Amino acid sequence: KAGVTQTPRYLIKTRGQQVTLSCSPISGHRSVSWYQQTPGQGLQFLFEYFSETQRNKGNFPGRFSGRQFSNSRSEMNVSTLELGDSALYLCASSIQGAFDTEAFFGQGTRLTVV
Amino acid sequence: GENVEQHPSTLSVQEGDSAVIKCTYSDSASNYFPWYKQELGKRPQLIIDIRSNVGEKKDQRIAVTLNKTAKHFSLHITETQPEDSAVYFCAASNAGGGADGLTFGKGTHLIIQP
Repeated sequence: KAGVTQTPRYLIKTRGQQVTLSCSPISGHRSVSWYQQTPGQGLQFLFEYFSETQRNKGNFPGRFSGRQFSNSRSEMNVSTLELGDSALYLCASSIQGAFDTEAFFGQGTRLTVV
Repeated sequence: GENVEQHPSTLSVQEGDSAVIKCTYSDSASNYFPWYKQELGKRPQLIIDIRSNVGEKKDQRIAVTLNKTAKHFSLHITETQPEDSAVYFCAASNAGGGADGLTFGKGTHLIIQP
């Protein structure tokens, strides 16, 4: 069974630009969550999608948005990039939801904002 | 919202000794407590989890204990081996999700000395 796939693996963007990250979950998994990982703040929850609907949202500004398609693939968009958005962005898929069952993480997309 | 504190931030033990990592949480509604292991440059992977209706769970050399009254839970690794070297994250969540999603501790860097 293929694992969670994130693309691209690395990105370098300039302040003010926008970026779209992609996540393909494990086949059959309907829940996709996104996390931001930084050395100072650790892993922070961005949002969760389930069956194309945003079911939960963390405390990040509106510049961070996402969506989920009918095949459960998910995208995350960050607009008006700031230097502080530099981080490893991880997505995780699970069968029903990441809050009481195992979440399978992708390798992440490392975003560098210059 | 939920807040998870994790200690210590770095733990160095001799190979063969035991390691204990402790976490406290703030939200009494949290009922799911997973532990993830992240090796350098790799994705986080679930190693064990516990639900609030259970006080202890074991899986070979790994065990987790939960004290709901005190709102703390701990990871115990016995007979440590070099491959146990990694960053370990505790997390807490309410199965209903919410704005906190899966709230992670800041991580413990476990170093196994040969």
